Amino acid sequence: NAGVTQTPKFQVLKTGQSMTLQCAQDMNHEYMSWYRQDPGMGLRLIHYSVGAGITDQGEVPNGYNVSRSTTEDFPLRLLSAAPSQTSVYFCASRRTGEGANVLTFGAGSRLTVL
Amino acid sequence: QQPVQSPQAVILREGEDAVINCSSSKALYSVHWYRQKHGEAPVFLMILLKGGEQKGHDKISASFNEKKQQSSLYLTASQLSYSGTYFCGTEDSNYQLIWGAGTKLIIKP
Repeated sequence: NAGVTQTPKFQVLKTGQSMTLQCAQDMNHEYMSWYRQDPGMGLRLIHYSVGAGITDQGEVPNGYNVSRSTTEDFPLRLLSAAPSQTSVYFCASRRTGEGANVLTFGAGSRLTVL
Repeated sequence: QQPVQSPQAVILREGEDAVINCSSSKALYSVHWYRQKHGEAPVFLMILLKGGEQKGHDKISASFNEKKQQSSLYLTASQLSYSGTYFCGTEDSNYQLIWGAGTKLIIKP
């Protein structure tokens, strides 16, 4: 059981380049989300999804796109990278509905934009 | 809106107790507590649901006051392994989890 898998772990981009951070989970979780973490600021929600074909914006969605074509995958796209997007990105997933739905995190992707 | 955590940082001697608070301006469905070590992903500690609480570890417990929209994490007889940054996450009825800025806990021998 792999849990939540993020790739790549590290990436360096130049300003204006595009890239996709991949996220896959094998737990059949309905809810998937992307966070960015900057020093001293905790985790900020970028986008989230409660099921295939459904996505919604979080606190800091500008500059990022997502799609959810399958239950397992939730890629995060940066169309034109900016230095302000230098951060550590975490993908996370969990069940939805009643009860205690624990959020499982991926290992993180460290992105540097020059 | 981001929940507010306090204190921002705390330094303890091994064996001392600590309380970390989390408050929200929104009505809450649940509160999540996680601990993160430097360079690692956050790790689940416990979740508290509306109308109840759950204990994740023997010496780490938490409470959830729905009316006041507050939660507190209690660390008893702290161990060196408790060092890290603690985050509370608050969940609304739309399943959206928003996180506090974190409380850095340093345990000294």
